[in-house]
Amino acid sequence: GQQVMQIPQYQHVQEGEDFTTYCNSSTTLSNIQWYKQRPGGHPVFLIQLVKSGEVKKQKRLTFQFGEAKKNSSLHITATQTTDVGTYFCAGSLYNFNKFYFGSGTKLNVKP
Amino acid sequence: KAGVTQTPRYLIKTRGQQVTLSCSPISGHRSVSWYQQTPGQGLQFLFEYFSETQRNKGNFPGRFSGRQFSNSRSEMNVSTLELGDSALYLCASSLTGENEKLFFGSGTQLSVL
Repeated sequence: GQQVMQIPQYQHVQEGEDFTTYCNSSTTLSNIQWYKQRPGGHPVFLIQLVKSGEVKKQKRLTFQFGEAKKNSSLHITATQTTDVGTYFCAGSLYNFNKFYFGSGTKLNVKP
Repeated sequence: KAGVTQTPRYLIKTRGQQVTLSCSPISGHRSVSWYQQTPGQGLQFLFEYFSETQRNKGNFPGRFSGRQFSNSRSEMNVSTLELGDSALYLCASSLTGENEKLFFGSGTQLSVL
C-alpha cells in the first residue's frame, strides 16, 4: 500500500545548528503538506507544496518538493529552542483530504 | 473563530466496550477527517466526511465507524474495543476537503484496559 517514509526519526541539535528532515513516497503525490506538533499538542499546519520542484520559504524554514513529486524536505536554518517538536510530512494522492503521514521527525534543540 | 473542539479529552474503557467520540469543526468547515495517532504507527487516516457523506475511508476494521450531522459536527464510534485501540484520536476540519490544510483538534486520548 501507499507509504510515506520519513527520516530521521530523531534529531538532537545544538541551538544555532541547522536541521533537515526528509520524506519519500512510494508513489507520485498530488501534493504534500508539513505539520508541526509540539509535545502534548496537536499537529499544526505549516505549508503545502503542489508543484513539481517547488520551493517555499517561511523565515528560517525552507520546504522543497521533488521534481518527480515523490520526495520532500524541510530545512530549518539556525535552530532555536522554539523549534522543538515533531515535524510530519503528509502526502495526498488525489485532490481530496486523504493524507498519508510520515512517521515524523522529533527535533530536540539544546540551548 | 473557535477552533476544532473534541470531546471528551480523555477516556478510559475496558476491552469489549464501545466508545463514541465527538468533534465540532471550525464554523463554516464542511469536511471532517479522523486520524488515529499511536507511537508505533504514527498518524493513520480513519475516514473523511463531507456534507454528511463518507467520502474516504482508511484501512481500519469495521469496528471503526463514523457519521456527520447536518451542522457538520462528527462522531466516531469504536465497538468491541481492543487493547490496541488505545491511541490519540484526532479530528481535523477543512472548508471543502479538497487539497486544503487541516485544522486539528486537541484530540481524545483513549485508553483501553
